[in-house]
Amino acid sequence: GNSVTQMEGPVTLSEEAFLTINCTYTATGYPSLFWYVQYPGEGLQLLLKATKADDKGSNKGFEATYRKETTSFHLEKGSVQVSDSAVYFCALSENRGSTLGRLYFGRGTQLTVWP
Amino acid sequence: AAGVIQSPRHLIKEKRETATLKCYPIPRHDTVYWYQQGPGQDPQFLISFYEKMQSDKGSIPDRFSAQQFSDYHSELNMSSLELGDSALYFCASSPTDSGRSYEQYFGPGTRLTVT
Repeated sequence: GNSVTQMEGPVTLSEEAFLTINCTYTATGYPSLFWYVQYPGEGLQLLLKATKADDKGSNKGFEATYRKETTSFHLEKGSVQVSDSAVYFCALSENRGSTLGRLYFGRGTQLTVWP
Repeated sequence: AAGVIQSPRHLIKEKRETATLKCYPIPRHDTVYWYQQGPGQDPQFLISFYEKMQSDKGSIPDRFSAQQFSDYHSELNMSSLELGDSALYFCASSPTDSGRSYEQYFGPGTRLTVT
């Protein structure tokens, strides 16, 4: 089946520190991979995505590379800001088949950035 | 830009009561997804609709039903509510072209509390 395993939180960093949140996946087919961010009291927002192996998704200074050989999609940012404090979810969806589009989420990682 | 609208934002019900959650997708998005996020949990897929037909079904209890209407809005009906149904319910929409789904855009969620 499909599943996503995400680094346990919470993660606490000082402003301008380097961020890595690990994400690995199990999939029956050839999934697309996503990172979603959830700010307090809000819905999920798509942060970045990658649809095939070796693709790199990037947005707002965040990056993640689709690694098929290690089934990973780790999220990185070189210099975090206080405004990046949120919960980050790694997710996958199949690109074909009866469950096309259904998102499978990891448990989420709470990130807190201190000034 | 228009976003996904969910109503109500907050709902308090007693055990064994019924609740109806509504979702209005982004204009021209023909696919709607429902997810349930328990406290401290990752979102779990419930059900999805494409062009007013159920397209996929996940871990949705038999006490729940949903449909998508001619204007593409969707309603999630929940009966015989249990304490364990207390959660944040997200709706997401996406455009679908030739069966290939695009990224999902999430609404702010409806927080259901069952007492």
